[in-house]
Amino acid sequence: QSALTQPPSASGSPGQSVTISCTGTSSDVGGYNYVSWYQHHPGKAPKLMIYDVTKRPSGVPDRFSGSKSGNTASLTVSGLQAEDEADYYCSSYEGSNNYVFGTGTKVSVL
Amino acid sequence: QLQLQESGPGLVKSSETLSLTCTVSGGSISSSNYYWAWIRQRPGKGLEWIGSIYYSGSTYYNPSLKSRVTISADTSKNQFSLILKSVTAADTALYYCARRSGTYYHPGYYWGQGTLVTVSS
Repeated sequence: QSALTQPPSASGSPGQSVTISCTGTSSDVGGYNYVSWYQHHPGKAPKLMIYDVTKRPSGVPDRFSGSKSGNTASLTVSGLQAEDEADYYCSSYEGSNNYVFGTGTKVSVL
Repeated sequence: QLQLQESGPGLVKSSETLSLTCTVSGGSISSSNYYWAWIRQRPGKGLEWIGSIYYSGSTYYNPSLKSRVTISADTSKNQFSLILKSVTAADTALYYCARRSGTYYHPGYYWGQGTLVTVSS
């Protein structure tokens, strides 16, 4: 079980868009349509932003969107706002009721 | 509103056993089709899946931790627990408990605030 690969950081100005990639293998990201994304503000509980690659839980703004192509998933945050500044983690199901997380991306709003 | 609260010793000696409890309020851990999970975050690192227990009692563990991990549930106290044996400094982390519905495939929707465990030599 190796962590999924994410860029360490990403940034954008308010109102702009930022896209974070999450690269795995055919055993996780590429093998299942069960990629999720979490927003994590230090000191708080992680918040589920996207599940099943593209779905948003109730209450998550539609500025957050997910996609997947092959072994790489992506999270796009459109119309960046100051409160979007946080760490973002992807996760993928890998079978047998186990999950693997990404290495995490720190998103900064300039 | 479901709430989860982790508790346990903040300091554990190397080679000993780490034991944490997650107390659930606002819902029953016996409720059908829910998984109760443990996840950790080592200092300066990303999140790591430890494992989960299904409402029926079935358990599932991260293969890399499986030999040292036990997750159990106490329905009378509405709690579930994590035991990690033979800890080392690499087990120093913020430990979270979480819940997800069995209908979905993600690590968890409801999470606790986390509890920091430091392994000392």
